[in-house]
Amino acid sequence: GNSVTQMEGPVTLSEEAFLTINCTYTATGYPSLFWYVQYPGEGLQLLLKATKADDKGSNKGFEATYRKETTSFHLEKGSVQVSDSAVYFCALTPNYGGSQGNLIFGKGTKLSVKP
Amino acid sequence: EAGVAQSPRYKIIEKRQSVAFWCNPISGHATLYWYQQILGQGPKLLIQFQNNGVVDDSQLPKDRFSAERLKGVDSTLKIQPAKLEDSAVYLCASSDGTSLPNEQFFGPGTRLTVL
Repeated sequence: GNSVTQMEGPVTLSEEAFLTINCTYTATGYPSLFWYVQYPGEGLQLLLKATKADDKGSNKGFEATYRKETTSFHLEKGSVQVSDSAVYFCALTPNYGGSQGNLIFGKGTKLSVKP
Repeated sequence: EAGVAQSPRYKIIEKRQSVAFWCNPISGHATLYWYQQILGQGPKLLIQFQNNGVVDDSQLPKDRFSAERLKGVDSTLKIQPAKLEDSAVYLCASSDGTSLPNEQFFGPGTRLTVL
């Protein structure tokens, strides 16, 4: 079946540190991959996405590359800010049959950035 | 453009009581989703509507959960009777269904506590 596994949190970093949140997936076919972010008290927001192998999604200084050979989509940022403190979810949507658009999420990783 | 609206934001009930949640998607979005997010886990799809028809309700506990989208716009999700394990955040999302992959826009959620 389809599933997403992401690194356990919480992750605590100092401002300007480098961030990596690991995400691996299991899927039939060729899924699209996403990172969503949930800031405190707010709804889920799409952070970035990639739809095929070797695509790189990027937004707000965050990047993730769709690696089919390692079934991974790790999230990275070169220099985090306090405002990046949030919960990050890796997700996929299978691209076959009637399941297109059905998001399957990982458990989420809480990031806290200290000044 | 107004986002996805949900109400109420918080609800506390006792087990065996009933509860209903309401969602108003982004104007013009044909696809509407209800997710359940248990604390410490990622959101899990309960039901997906395309206009007023059900596309996927395979993970909806139909003995106690029901949902409708009568006019293809607003939707309600009902739980009757509630169990302790139904304590979660219920998220509504919508998408326009015209792009691949569909970007889903999430509401702020309804936090349900069952005592």
